[in-house]
Amino acid sequence: DAGITQSPRHKVTETGTPVTLRCHQTENHRYMYWYRQDPGHGLRLIHYSYGVKDTDKGEVSDGYSVSRSKTEDFLLTLESATSSQTSVYFCAISEFVSGYEQYFGPGTRLTVT
Amino acid sequence: GQQVMQIPQYQHVQEGEDFTTYCNSSTTLSNIQWYKQRPGGHPVFLIQLVKSGEVKKQKRLTFQFGEAKKNSSLHITATQTTDVGTYFCAGPRGGSEKLVFGKGMKLTVNP
Repeated sequence: DAGITQSPRHKVTETGTPVTLRCHQTENHRYMYWYRQDPGHGLRLIHYSYGVKDTDKGEVSDGYSVSRSKTEDFLLTLESATSSQTSVYFCAISEFVSGYEQYFGPGTRLTVT
Repeated sequence: GQQVMQIPQYQHVQEGEDFTTYCNSSTTLSNIQWYKQRPGGHPVFLIQLVKSGEVKKQKRLTFQFGEAKKNSSLHITATQTTDVGTYFCAGPRGGSEKLVFGKGMKLTVNP
C-alpha cells in the first residue's frame, strides 16, 4: 500500500462542532483528494489539491474547507458539523504515471450526533 | 454533467461461477480505471485501460475497454470468496486528474 495515513480513524462529534481530519502521505505525490463514501452514492469528491496551497472544489464541497500547507499534508475541516456529514471519509493521492491512478488511505469514520 | 454508471449494482454468485459487470460513461473517456474495495476496507487500484478495444487480464479477472471508449467490462472467471467486495470503475473528469466514480458493483459469493 502507498504511504498514506489518515487521522483520526474514528470520531464521534456533536452537531455544530468543528472537526478537522488529517491526511498524511510519504509518497511526495502532487495531487491529493478528499472523498466521502455513503451507501448508494459511491465515492464523491469533496475537494482536491494540485499543489501546496492550490486547492479546488469537488462535487460536494458545501460545508467543507481544506488546506494544504505542505506537500505531505492535506486537511479537511468541517466548520460546523451536521448530521448529514456522517460518513466515511477517504483521502487519496495521485501522480501522473500513465494516468492519474489514485491510492487511497484507510479512511475515517465520522459520526455526527 | 459527466456520469459513470455501473450495472448491476449488486451481484450474488455461487463460488465457481463466471460473471461480467459493466461500466458505461456518458462521455468518451481517455482512460478507464477499476478499483476494488473489500468490506471494511479502502478502494484499491486494480488496473487502467487506455486504448480502444484494449483487453487486460489479472489472473481470473479480465478487463476490457470498449471500441468507442465509453464503456468497459470486468469479467471474473471461477469466482472465489476472495473476490468479495465492491468494484468501482472511474473515468477522468474532463480529461483531468480528477476522477468520476461509478456507484460500484457489490459482489457477494456463496461458498
